[in-house]
Amino acid sequence: DAKTTQPPSMDCAEGRAANLPCNHSTISGNEYVYWYRQIHSQGPQYIIHGLKNNETNEMASLIITEDRKSSTLILPHATLRDTAVYYCIVKAGSARQLTFGSGTQLTVLP
Amino acid sequence: EPEVTQTPSHQVTQMGQEVILRCVPISNHLYFYWYRQILGQKVEFLVSFYNNEISEKSEIFDDQFSVERPDGSNFTLKIRSTKLEDSAMYFCASTPGGGAWQPQHFGDGTRLSIL
Repeated sequence: DAKTTQPPSMDCAEGRAANLPCNHSTISGNEYVYWYRQIHSQGPQYIIHGLKNNETNEMASLIITEDRKSSTLILPHATLRDTAVYYCIVKAGSARQLTFGSGTQLTVLP
Repeated sequence: EPEVTQTPSHQVTQMGQEVILRCVPISNHLYFYWYRQILGQKVEFLVSFYNNEISEKSEIFDDQFSVERPDGSNFTLKIRSTKLEDSAMYFCASTPGGGAWQPQHFGDGTRLSIL
């Protein structure tokens, strides 16, 4: 699986959009980008995933650059409950295991 | 929304004892997984399971570990003779049938403390 690089920490003001970047410059054509988050002491929570196109669901939007070497997770209106570690994971569509990195600690400030 | 449930939430066991961690995956899901997270470290893949067989396993998943789906709803992880270094959060996950691209849905974990 391709390696990902994320900033270790970010702050965001409550009510503002949180934009979390991820670099995956060695991604292959059959690899998906997944985003999970882990709120303290809880299990990883699936947020969104994509292959080539931008994706949106009720939680977030995923913007993937045209060359697929980086992506951004957007939480449109961050709340205090969005404070968590956010993981960007690249995984081949045929592989089963998720490889978690260190992620980005997002702190939403009141 | 359906969810993965894990029991117990916290398990304390003496070193050398056997422990069984239990998971109820989302109904109609067919693929099941175990991960662990040692305190302060990354989430690590242990094993994936489908059709009553292990499909993938990591180097961590040695002979001390085993998995089983004893009935139509439970999925278990057994550690035969626990060691101090087995202390960790253990997470179960599941996915529907079909492609491996489908996202995994996790439970809230069992905290295993080995004394």
